[in-house]
Amino acid sequence: QKEVEQNSGPLSVPEGAIASLNCTYSDRGSQSFFWYRQYSGKSPELIMFIYSNGDKEDGRFTAQLNKASQYVSLLIRDSQPSDSATYLCAVGTGGFKTIFGAGTRLFVKA
Amino acid sequence: DTGVSQDPRHKITKRGQNVTFRCDPISEHNRLYWYRQTLGQGPEFLTYFQNEAQLEKSRLLSDRFSAERPKGSFSTLEIQRTEQGDSAMYLCASSLPATNEKLFFGSGTQLSVL
Repeated sequence: QKEVEQNSGPLSVPEGAIASLNCTYSDRGSQSFFWYRQYSGKSPELIMFIYSNGDKEDGRFTAQLNKASQYVSLLIRDSQPSDSATYLCAVGTGGFKTIFGAGTRLFVKA
Repeated sequence: DTGVSQDPRHKITKRGQNVTFRCDPISEHNRLYWYRQTLGQGPEFLTYFQNEAQLEKSRLLSDRFSAERPKGSFSTLEIQRTEQGDSAMYLCASSLPATNEKLFFGSGTQLSVL
C-alpha cells in the first residue's frame, strides 16, 4: 500500500467550476498535510497546509482534513486555465521526512 | 534571488561516470532535503540535513550516492558510477526549523544517463 495515494487523473473541469482533489494517507500518526502545485517542467510550490481537522481557506483554495478517515482534499473555486498543473498531496510524519503522493493532473478548460 | 538555488539545471552523462550537484538553500533555513522525482511520480525523499548533520537517509540511497553539507550552508549530492536508472530530476528543498516541514524547492537538476 502506498503511503500517500492520489488519483492520477487527469481531472478536467471547465473554467469557473470547482475542482476537487483528493488524497488518502496510511500513517495515522501523520501530523502535517500539504498541497503543492507543480507546473510542467517546474519544481513543486507549496500552496496550502493544514494541521487540524476541518477546513482551511486561503483565497480560492480550501484544504480539508479528516484524520479519522485519513483523508485530505483540496478545493479550487472559480478554476482558471492557469490552475492547470499537477497537484501533489504531501504528508509530514512528525520526523523530518515528507511523503508525497504521485500527484493529480488538473486541466481547466477555457 | 533569495530562493533555493541548484546547479547545474541539466546534466547529461554517460553510464559509469560520476556526477555532482550543488544546492544553495535559503540563507536562514537550517534544514536541507534532497528528493528525486521521475516522470509521473511525486518527489521521493533521499536525505535530510539539519545544519551540517545528515540526520536521515532513505533506503533508496545506495552506496553510490553521497551527500554532504559542510559548514551547514550549501550541500552537494554525488552519484558515483551512474546507471541509466539514476536518470531523474534531483530536487533540493530547504525549510526553517519548527515549521512542520514547509518545503521550499529549488528548480532541480535534470540528470540524463546515456
